[in-house]
Amino acid sequence: GENVEQHPSTLSVQEGDSAVIKCTYSDSASNYFPWYKQELGKRPQLIIDIRSNVGEKKDQRIAVTLNKTAKHFSLHITETQPEDSAVYFCAASMSFHSDMRFGAGTRLTVKP
Amino acid sequence: DGGITQSPKYLFRKEGQNVTLSCEQNLNHDAMYWYRQDPGQGLRLIYYSQIVNDFQKGDIAEGYSVSREKKESFPLTVTSAQKNPTAFYLCASSIGGRQNTEAFFGQGTRLTVV
Repeated sequence: GENVEQHPSTLSVQEGDSAVIKCTYSDSASNYFPWYKQELGKRPQLIIDIRSNVGEKKDQRIAVTLNKTAKHFSLHITETQPEDSAVYFCAASMSFHSDMRFGAGTRLTVKP
Repeated sequence: DGGITQSPKYLFRKEGQNVTLSCEQNLNHDAMYWYRQDPGQGLRLIYYSQIVNDFQKGDIAEGYSVSREKKESFPLTVTSAQKNPTAFYLCASSIGGRQNTEAFFGQGTRLTVV
């Protein structure tokens, strides 16, 4: 099955700085790459996703980039705010397969 | 109120006992999943189901069993064969099929073996 690796495991930034989280995947057939945010004690929720037919997607302060050749994708958060503090997970899956695999997570702390 | 519901929120089990975690969705989703969450290890896939009456093992299926008799329900049984069952369990569902889409998660069940 697919194997997803995520780095770093923890990330601490000052409010207003940018944060970047990187993931790699093993199966070149994977074509859907979502990012989830999990606040303390809550369920994971989708914040942005990208499909393999595009290289970049942006939604306000959040952007995701995908490099299919290198099999890696990244989450970029600009102008970070304390409420961005959470655990972020990347994931990968492919069409007709429901076995979505997740990375180990990144604990982001935004210091005011 | 549409969504995916897990119950109970907290569950305590004695060693050697089987226990079943409930997961119900009213989103009309075909695909359902069970993940286990341990600190520092992310979400590990236990079982998944793409359609009623069909399910597949994930990466850590040993000691667990599931059923998918109804589209809305995907219960997970943690058996006595699971050596370290204390964890946070998350159920999720998605539309499934040809194009993968967002997975919606339940609020989770925290299982503790006492």
